[in-house]
Amino acid sequence: SQKIEQNSEALNIQEGKTATLTCNYTNYSPAYLQWYRQDPGRGPVFLLLIRENEKEKRKERLKVTFDTTLKQSLFHITASQPADSATYLCALDTAGNMLTFGGGTRLMVKP
Amino acid sequence: DAGITQSPRYKITETGRQVTLMCHQTWSHSYMFWYRQDLGHGLRLIYYSAAADITDKGEVPDGYVVSRSKTENFPLTLESATRSQTSVYFCASGLAGADEQFFGPGTRLTVL
Repeated sequence: SQKIEQNSEALNIQEGKTATLTCNYTNYSPAYLQWYRQDPGRGPVFLLLIRENEKEKRKERLKVTFDTTLKQSLFHITASQPADSATYLCALDTAGNMLTFGGGTRLMVKP
Repeated sequence: DAGITQSPRYKITETGRQVTLMCHQTWSHSYMFWYRQDLGHGLRLIYYSAAADITDKGEVPDGYVVSRSKTENFPLTLESATRSQTSVYFCASGLAGADEQFFGPGTRLTVL
């Protein structure tokens, strides 16, 4: 069956450290992979999109990698801040016109 | 105001009643989507629309009806609400189906 897995346990890190979140998928062959941020009580907000032919993409303190062989994406936040605390969702394009989302990982950055 | 809005933000209804959730976007995006978000299931696609008068089923369409007579509006109707439809509903829009999506603030629906 098709699955997108993110660590359901919260990730707790200290301010200033690098947070690394994982998105694994099975039985999909996505052309794109996206990451979103969701704060409590709000809708998800788009962060980054990486294509299958891109190994890595950066935006300010964010870095995403995409390994189509391992079927895995890693999402890094460097020099993390308490304001980075949120739930992070990965999403894959499936069936051409749709995104399928993972369950999300909650990140807590402690001062 | 530019953006994507949803109404109502909160709704309590009873089993068997019809409920319509509204979604409006000002970007003229071709694509619009309805998701529901539940603990343990994440975001799941209910229906989407590629353009006015074109709609298609997502992962969990049963019990829901959509229409899209205008590009900017994409209402979602629960024809006979059930308790299992208690959820947070998000509308989203985008230029393409699998491209960046812009989400509304959500509607928290409780079916008693």
